[in-house]
Amino acid sequence: EAEVAQSPRYKITEKSQAVAFWCDPISGHATLYWYRQILGQGPELLVQFQDESVVDDSQLPKDRFSAERLKGVDSTLKIQPAELGDSAMYLCASSLSFQDRSDEKLFFGSGTQLSVL
Amino acid sequence: AQSVTQPDIHITVSEGASLELRCNYSYGATPYLFWYVQSPGQGLQLLLKYFSGDTLVQGIKGFEAEFKRSQSSFNLRKPSVHWSDAAEYFCAVAGSGTYKYIFGTGTRLKVLA
Repeated sequence: EAEVAQSPRYKITEKSQAVAFWCDPISGHATLYWYRQILGQGPELLVQFQDESVVDDSQLPKDRFSAERLKGVDSTLKIQPAELGDSAMYLCASSLSFQDRSDEKLFFGSGTQLSVL
Repeated sequence: AQSVTQPDIHITVSEGASLELRCNYSYGATPYLFWYVQSPGQGLQLLLKYFSGDTLVQGIKGFEAEFKRSQSSFNLRKPSVHWSDAAEYFCAVAGSGTYKYIFGTGTRLKVLA
């Protein structure tokens, strides 16, 4: 079965440094999501793309976070500068666009575990 | 405000015993409801979903869930738990006008041999 690819799997950085995460969704999936999952909590949406356009970035801390999906395929999430509170799992998910939402299903990658020291 | 509550942070059951994980939601419009499972170090996998129709929905791995509008609940059940079911389970809600999912804080399931 096709999978959502994410890299790196783990990232350790010092505060004030820049970090970047990459996601390659399942081929043909128009919708791409970046979620942040803090230990002991559920995933929280950071940004949602439909093709190359941002649909929802209301929860993205735009002073330090940025996300792009230039060709509507793979995506990069960047943090600059990283802060201690950014330590979390960053999950990418993708889905097809459905006329009938009863067919809707998110496919998640294995995530990038970020530790900020 | 839209929210999902999973009141049980941890649940421990013996292998072969029945399981029920609780989920309560707050959503102004007709909700779409989901249960996802996350094994250690893995992403989330969809177990089942409710959009409309029959309020009892069947999912993968022998799981089922029942939507009860009057109680704003969508509890997950399994009649006989297997050791491989040990994982974290997340309930989520979305609405008809949005693809934004709101997840609960999760319930970690431990299975005793």
